[in-house]
Amino acid sequence: AQSVTQPDIHITVSEGASLELRCNYSYGATPYLFWYVQSPGQGLQLLLKYFSGDTLVQGIKGFEAEFKRSQSSFNLRKPSVHWSDAAEYFCAVEIRGSYIPTFGRGTSLIVHP
Amino acid sequence: DTGVSQDPRHKITKRGQNVTFRCDPISEHNRLYWYRQTLGQGPEFLTYFQNEAQLEKSRLLSDRFSAERPKGSFSTLEIQHTEQGDSAMYLCASSLSLAGVQETQYFGPGTRLLVL
Repeated sequence: AQSVTQPDIHITVSEGASLELRCNYSYGATPYLFWYVQSPGQGLQLLLKYFSGDTLVQGIKGFEAEFKRSQSSFNLRKPSVHWSDAAEYFCAVEIRGSYIPTFGRGTSLIVHP
Repeated sequence: DTGVSQDPRHKITKRGQNVTFRCDPISEHNRLYWYRQTLGQGPEFLTYFQNEAQLEKSRLLSDRFSAERPKGSFSTLEIQHTEQGDSAMYLCASSLSLAGVQETQYFGPGTRLLVL
């Protein structure tokens, strides 16, 4: 079975600073990869996804992620963080054809003014 | 299109009571998923439907849990004889499954259950 690791439970950054949230997965083949954001008391919103092709994926709200097969990683990045980006971020992987994603435990992003 | 909606948003119940949650997916979506999310964790898959057929159930879905999607539109998730360990956020998601096309799931706001 696949697994997802988000090694950072909390990340604190200053507004305007760059951001990188880490995600590693364990699975023999290349899965589908996703990043979601969840604001307090809300459902999840898809930021971006990787299915195939270009390993640098652009998403909404200025986020991007890079799939690195050799490192089994799919890290999320943003060049300049805004206070409104404070939220919980979840990485998810899905075995191709399973239609069932496995989520990481999440990284809580705190943004200082 | 107003997105995925869930009702109620919050539910407080006493241990041993039954509860039922409702999910209304995006209208043209044929797949509907239920997840459970506990504090400090990511969502965990419970079950999913394609139209009215329940295609997959997680081992997390004990006999006390039952889900239905009678007409392939809205879905209900019922928990019988609730236990304190059932306290969690229950999330619903829907997607449009087309042959050969990987779908995107759209999530509702969730129903937060507290069992006293």
